Amino acid sequence: GIQVEQSPPDLILQEGANSTLRCNFSDSVNNLQWFHQNPWGQLINLFYIPSGTKQNGRLSATTVATERYSLLYISSSQTTDSGVYFCAPRDTGRRALTFGSGTRLQVQP
Amino acid sequence: DAGVIQSPRHEVTEMGQEVTLRCKPISGHNSLFWYRQTMMRGLELLIYFNNNVPIDDSGMPEDRFSAKMPNASFSTLKIQPSEPRDSAVYFCASSLAPGGGLRVAKNIQYFGAGTRLSVL
Repeated sequence: GIQVEQSPPDLILQEGANSTLRCNFSDSVNNLQWFHQNPWGQLINLFYIPSGTKQNGRLSATTVATERYSLLYISSSQTTDSGVYFCAPRDTGRRALTFGSGTRLQVQP
Repeated sequence: DAGVIQSPRHEVTEMGQEVTLRCKPISGHNSLFWYRQTMMRGLELLIYFNNNVPIDDSGMPEDRFSAKMPNASFSTLKIQPSEPRDSAVYFCASSLAPGGGLRVAKNIQYFGAGTRLSVL
């Protein structure tokens, strides 16, 4: 199956800082989702982005499918951004998502 | 829309007992997924259904696990007998997969709040 690598594994930021999270995947994909798992364990959809760039407020994401990576940008981080960010691509042969190990983000006031 | 609804939110049971987790997908979705999250293995797929039919159950750990989807609005994941190593958070997700005369759907998966299972 598809292999997913996320970096960095851990990230500590001061409030107001910007960050870039990276996701590399090993095979062609026709779906890729980014999730935020908040401290209460809920998985919140951030982006559906199999290719191209999308923005939603302070967050934006870019997927370059031909080079097999996706980036999540967080600008002007807030303490509420803390949690774990997962990248989950879906390869062309399956319907289910394959999750990376996540980036654990801590935003300090 | 109420989203994907899972019950119970928390379950504590003793080793050897039967555990049943429940999921109600988003109305109109035709694909349903069960995932498990542990510290050691992260988030992994257990099984998924399309139009109520199990398509891929390769992630189901062993015969102690079984899943059913008797209709489009309800699914269960059963563990019998339960063991301490089954302790994890179990998530259900649903999506609208493209098919038939529909335009291509985005196939976005939406997750429930999860069931935190502790087997003592």
